[in-house]
Amino acid sequence: AQSVTQLDSHVSVSEGTPVLLRCNYSSSYSPSLFWYVQHPNKGLQLLLKYTSAATLVKGINGFEAEFKKSETSFHLTKPSAHMSDAAEYFCVVRLNTGFQKLVFGTGTRLLVSP
Amino acid sequence: GAVVSQHPSRVICKSGTSVKIECRSLDFQATTMFWYRQFPKQSLMLMATSNEGSKATYEQGVEKDKFLINHASLTLSTLTVTSAHPEDSSFYICSARDKTGESKNIQYFGAGTRLSVL
Repeated sequence: AQSVTQLDSHVSVSEGTPVLLRCNYSSSYSPSLFWYVQHPNKGLQLLLKYTSAATLVKGINGFEAEFKKSETSFHLTKPSAHMSDAAEYFCVVRLNTGFQKLVFGTGTRLLVSP
Repeated sequence: GAVVSQHPSRVICKSGTSVKIECRSLDFQATTMFWYRQFPKQSLMLMATSNEGSKATYEQGVEKDKFLINHASLTLSTLTVTSAHPEDSSFYICSARDKTGESKNIQYFGAGTRLSVL
């Protein structure tokens, strides 16, 4: 079965410092992976996606993620955090059967302090 | 990027009444839409997959008679919570899948509906 594990429920950083949100996946074949961001009481916005092309994926708002097959990881990074980055982040894997449903990780809340 | 509109954003209703939530894809056609439920501080749980012109496919444990889904056109799906009770209070989010172009098979999400049942 395909799944994703987000290792940290909360991550706290200071504004201007790097961000690292960790995600590991489990899949018997090459997965399609996504990072979505959710601001309070809002829907989800797609940050970036990996679909078996380049392993380093650049997304919106300066975020990027690297697909590492050897480590089964898809960590999300940003060189310098901004206050507006404070939100909930979800690592997601897309099933390749049926309706291609999304399976969500448990989420990581990013806190950014001044 | 593709835009999905969800309405209403918030609804408060009395126990026993029914509530309808609309999900529209504004700039693309979506043969498949998804309905999720999110409890406070938790992840999204898929409730059902909605296909235009056919019956919805419900996840295990989701009551189809309780959560009625209609996908009558390529841009509109509705979720009706029938005879709502306080335990149905939650954040409901829809998504629509774009099947064409660079956004092929990407799910785009609505802003969600906060349902409070008194």
